[in-house]
Amino acid sequence: EIVMTQSPATLSVSPGERATLSCRASQSVSSNLAWYQQKPGQAPRLLIYGASTRATGIPARFSGSGSGTEFTLTISSLQSEDFAVYYCQQYNNWPLFGPGTKVDIK
Amino acid sequence: QLQLQESGPGLVKPSETLSLTCTVSGGSISSSSYYWGWIRQPPGKGLEWIGSIYYSGSTYYNPSLKSRVTISVDTSKNQFSLKLSSVTAADTAVYYCARQHRVAATREFDYWGQGTLVTVSS
Repeated sequence: EIVMTQSPATLSVSPGERATLSCRASQSVSSNLAWYQQKPGQAPRLLIYGASTRATGIPARFSGSGSGTEFTLTISSLQSEDFAVYYCQQYNNWPLFGPGTKVDIK
Repeated sequence: QLQLQESGPGLVKPSETLSLTCTVSGGSISSSSYYWGWIRQPPGKGLEWIGSIYYSGSTYYNPSLKSRVTISVDTSKNQFSLKLSSVTAADTAVYYCARQHRVAATREFDYWGQGTLVTVSS
């Protein structure tokens, strides 16, 4: 069974700075990885699928990379609306979410 | 614009069955491109996929919940439903319904309902 980990658990960043979030799978998931953003009291929002393809309407400051077991979500210049929790999700035999990374204001 | 809306009781007694329905508007549930899924989130915790259904009725479930989960679809009403039996306090969560890409290898969820909190308590 695949295990997903995300690091760090919390990332403190100043507005305008770059944020780099990591997601790791215990075995290869190829490029079958998505990233979601969730704000308090809201449903998750799809940001990235296929490891690196931005979903419709997602700003270019969000980018995804990686394949196999190591993946990265980069937010190039954090805006106030980007402070949220970010989840990765892999698909092998079924969808499995990582535990999340909270991005908060430094 | 596609919209999904969960409905059902917000309070369920232990050992009983949790039942929720998701109504899809602005699009057809009978699309060949999508599954329709349920995901839950206990208060303050992460996301857990429960299961998904295709409009034909074929399903697949999270192995950890499979023995207690039934997902069904009613294409005439553009709805799909979740039943989770023998609930305990550990099943207390916000339950989301979502559209899931069927063809894409990532099987990502691109449209979500707002979520509904279900509390298991006597």
